Amino acid sequence: LAKTTQPVSMDSYEGQEVNITCSHNNIATNDYITWYQQFPSQGPRFIIQGYKTKVTNEVASLFIPADRKSSTLSLPRVSLSDTAVYYCLVGPNYGQNFVFGPGTRLSVLP
Amino acid sequence: DSGVTQTPKHLITATGQRVTLRCSPRSGDLSVYWYQQSLDQGLQFLIQYYNGEERAKGNILERFSAQQFPDLHSELNLSSLELGDSALYFCASSADRGGETQYFGPGTRLLVL
Repeated sequence: LAKTTQPVSMDSYEGQEVNITCSHNNIATNDYITWYQQFPSQGPRFIIQGYKTKVTNEVASLFIPADRKSSTLSLPRVSLSDTAVYYCLVGPNYGQNFVFGPGTRLSVLP
Repeated sequence: DSGVTQTPKHLITATGQRVTLRCSPRSGDLSVYWYQQSLDQGLQFLIQYYNGEERAKGNILERFSAQQFPDLHSELNLSSLELGDSALYFCASSADRGGETQYFGPGTRLLVL
């Protein structure tokens, strides 16, 4: 089961680009990397998922290097409403624990 | 709106009591997951069901049990409640067994007094 490591917290200012990196050294060949966003008292929300190289959607971009041992979630031009906890999850996980970990608490300042 | 519904939204009960939390997955999703999140804590995976069968078990206490019914909705039963069981309980669903993409419900906030 691939374990992930992320920074505990990050601060940014409105309008800046934010990059959050997740390490997953033991990622398996069939594992995907998925990022979730969670606001206080709400359920996590799927942001983006990728397998390799780069994936972009209307919310974020996900960069995955060739060795896939890490991934970087990129949020362009953040706003105050992007203040949340961001989780990186590696899977699928068949019959095993789904470990979200502590995530990265992003604080966007005005 | 994720398409996952949970009832009730809030629940206040006393120690020693038993409660049932209900979850309806997104249409077509076969997997249901239950998570517990205490104040300012991370998500703790409790249990997963896939098409009615238990698939994975996490840190679920023996006082807790769950099941998934033929119509795919799921219930989480919490008994002999303790103060420490106060938390947000989330249900999530996915189309597959591997849980790569989970869609979370709004949660049930349980307060044990």
